[in-house]
Amino acid sequence: ETGVTQSPTHLIKTRGQQVTLRCSSQSGHNTVSWYQQALGQGPQFIFQYYREEENGRGNFPPRFSGLQFPNYSSELNVNALELDDSALYLCASSTGQAGGYTFGSGTRLTVV
Amino acid sequence: AQSVTQLGSHVSVSEGALVLLRCNYSSSVPPYLFWYVQYPNQGLQLLLKYTTGATLVKGINGFEAEFKKSETSFHLTKPSAHMSDAAEYFCASYNFNKFYFGSGTKLNVKP
Repeated sequence: ETGVTQSPTHLIKTRGQQVTLRCSSQSGHNTVSWYQQALGQGPQFIFQYYREEENGRGNFPPRFSGLQFPNYSSELNVNALELDDSALYLCASSTGQAGGYTFGSGTRLTVV
Repeated sequence: AQSVTQLGSHVSVSEGALVLLRCNYSSSVPPYLFWYVQYPNQGLQLLLKYTTGATLVKGINGFEAEFKKSETSFHLTKPSAHMSDAAEYFCASYNFNKFYFGSGTKLNVKP
C-alpha cells in the first residue's frame, strides 16, 4: 500500500503571495490533517478534514484554508504569506480513528 | 486548555544505556497519547500509542511507554540505546479531533 505523499517537497515564495500544498492520503484513509512545524519546534495542528468536511481546527488565522477531495486527497492553501509562515508543513491521513495516523515527509516552505 | 510538555529538549545517553524521555499531558479528559520519532528532513514515524486498555504500551524498535493517569505522564523508555536511535522524539495527545504535540526531545547516543 502507498503511504502519504506530499508535493512539492520544497518551495520558495515571496511575502504576500499565495501558496497551495498538496497531499495524497494513504489508500483507505478518509481523514486528513495538516500541521505546521517551525524550525526547532513541535508540529502545530492546523486543521483536520473528514469526508470532505472540516471537523477540527487549531489556532491559525483564516488565511490558512483547506480542501479535501472525493478521493480524500487534500490541499492546504495559505494566502498573504508572511515570513513567519516559513516552516515544514506536514500532512497526515488516517481511517478516522486516532490510532492510525500516517505522516508524509512534508513540504518545506520558505517565505522571503 | 490541553497541552503536552516534554521535559528536556536534549538528552544524551551512551550506547547500551537506558533511554528515558519524559512527557506530561494536560487535559480535562484523558486523551489518546502517542510517541513519534523524526529523523532529519523526514516526516513523523509512529513509535507507539495509548488509546484504552493496558497502560504499558510496547512499540517498535524496543521502545515502550506507560500511561500513568495519576501523574498525567506518558514517559518513553528503551532498555538499551542504539546509535540508530539518535533522532528527535515527539510526544502527542489527541482529543476532540485535535492533536497537540510537545516541543520535542533530541536524543543523542554516544558510542
